[in-house]
Amino acid sequence: AQRVTQPEKLLSVFKGAPVELKCNYSYSGSPELFWYVQYSRQRLQLLLRHISRESIKGFTADLNKGETSFHLKKPFAQEEDSAMYYCALSGGTSYGKLTFGQGTILTVHP
Amino acid sequence: GAGVSQSPRYKVAKRGQDVALRCDPISGHVSLFWYQQALGQGPEFLTYFQNEAQLDKSGLPSDRFFAERPEGSVSTLKIQRTQQEDSAVYLCASSHRNTGGGADTQYFGPGTRLTVL
Repeated sequence: AQRVTQPEKLLSVFKGAPVELKCNYSYSGSPELFWYVQYSRQRLQLLLRHISRESIKGFTADLNKGETSFHLKKPFAQEEDSAMYYCALSGGTSYGKLTFGQGTILTVHP
Repeated sequence: GAGVSQSPRYKVAKRGQDVALRCDPISGHVSLFWYQQALGQGPEFLTYFQNEAQLDKSGLPSDRFFAERPEGSVSTLKIQRTQQEDSAVYLCASSHRNTGGGADTQYFGPGTRLTVL
C-alpha cells in the first residue's frame, strides 16, 4: 500500500522567513511525487513535480529516496504563499492515480 | 481555455436520496478521475476513466457509488441511498493522455460539496 504523510496540519511563518513543508511517503517502487496547492477560493492546482526538477514561485522540492521524503522549501516566504498544500504520490499504475497527504495550511504573516 | 467544470457546486440531500454529480473535463482530455475529499482530509481516489472505459473503480466505497462516462467526455458520479458519511467534496480531474509511463498533470474542477442531512 502507498501512503503520504504530512505531519503538520498548520504552519505559520513571517514574511521573508524560510519555510519548509514536510512530506514523507511509503511506497515500495519508484514513485512520482507532486506538490499541489489550493489558494483561497481557488481550485486545486499543480505546483511542482519531482521529475521536472524546477522551481515554481520560488519553491523547490527534492526527492530523497533514502529518507522517503519530498519536502517543499522556499527561502523567503511571501504573504501570497498562504494556502493549503498537498503532497501527492503516483505509483503502481500507468495512468497516474494520486494518493494525497492530509495537507498543510501555510499562513505567512506580514 | 475553459477548465474542468462541475455541477452542481453545492448539493444538499436527505438521507436515502439519490444524487448525481456532473463533471465536464477539458476538451480532448483522455483521462478522467473522481476523488472524494472529506472535511480536513486530502482527496481520496474513487475511480478512473480512459475515454469511456472505466479502468479502475477500486476506490468506490460501496456499491451505492456508480460512475459513468458513456461518450468519453462528460462523466457522472451517482450515489444511491445517500448516507451521512457520504458528505464530502467530490472532485473531478482530467488529464491530457494516458502516458503509459507515468502521471500526466491532472487539472481539477472546483468540486461539488455534498451535504447529507
